[in-house]
Amino acid sequence: AQKITQTQPGMFVQEKEAVTLDCTYDTSDPSYGLFWYKQPSSGEMIFLIYQGSYDQQNATEGRYSLNFQKARKSANLVISASQLGDSAMYFCAMREEGFSGGYNKLIFGAGTRLAVHP
Amino acid sequence: EAGVTQFPSHSVIEKGQTVTLRCDPISGHDNLYWYRRVMGKEIKFLLHFVKESKQDESGMPNNRFLAERTGGTYSTLKVQPAELEDSGVYFCASQPTGGPYEQYFGPGTRLTVT
Repeated sequence: AQKITQTQPGMFVQEKEAVTLDCTYDTSDPSYGLFWYKQPSSGEMIFLIYQGSYDQQNATEGRYSLNFQKARKSANLVISASQLGDSAMYFCAMREEGFSGGYNKLIFGAGTRLAVHP
Repeated sequence: EAGVTQFPSHSVIEKGQTVTLRCDPISGHDNLYWYRRVMGKEIKFLLHFVKESKQDESGMPNNRFLAERTGGTYSTLKVQPAELEDSGVYFCASQPTGGPYEQYFGPGTRLTVT
């Protein structure tokens, strides 16, 4: 069964430092995608970054990068130069290729709450 | 471009009552998903529409939940009768077909059943 594991319920980091949020996954599907979403206290889910299983390079979006290690089945999120506004809940999620191509449900991890300290 | 909207933002009902949640996806997005997060647990998939058709409803917990998507536009999720364990945050997400894989989430509806 497909599963996402986030082992860090809470993390804190000093402003301007980098932080890594861990995510491991389990799937038997050769084609899948991995996402990170941010949920601030206001509640909305904000898409941050996406990595496809066949992508050769690690995804990057501004201060966010995804450290994709396929053999280890890990997809850690790295946030560089943390800002106070980065304080939020972060969810790792996976989609499967399945029968609908790329348009499938997401499976979420439990989330990691990040606190950025000044 | 307007994002995904959900109504109401918060609903408090008594056990046994009926509640209808509404989701308006981003215009032109054929794919619409419902998810929910009950307290302290992961966000779980409920169902997936492609236009007005239910593509996957494997996550619907029981027959007290009924989802519709009229004309392939907005969607409603009705809970009837509501039970205490239905409390949580219900998210809707939409996604274009033929575009990127990210799903665009709405702000969620917080449902409290007392």
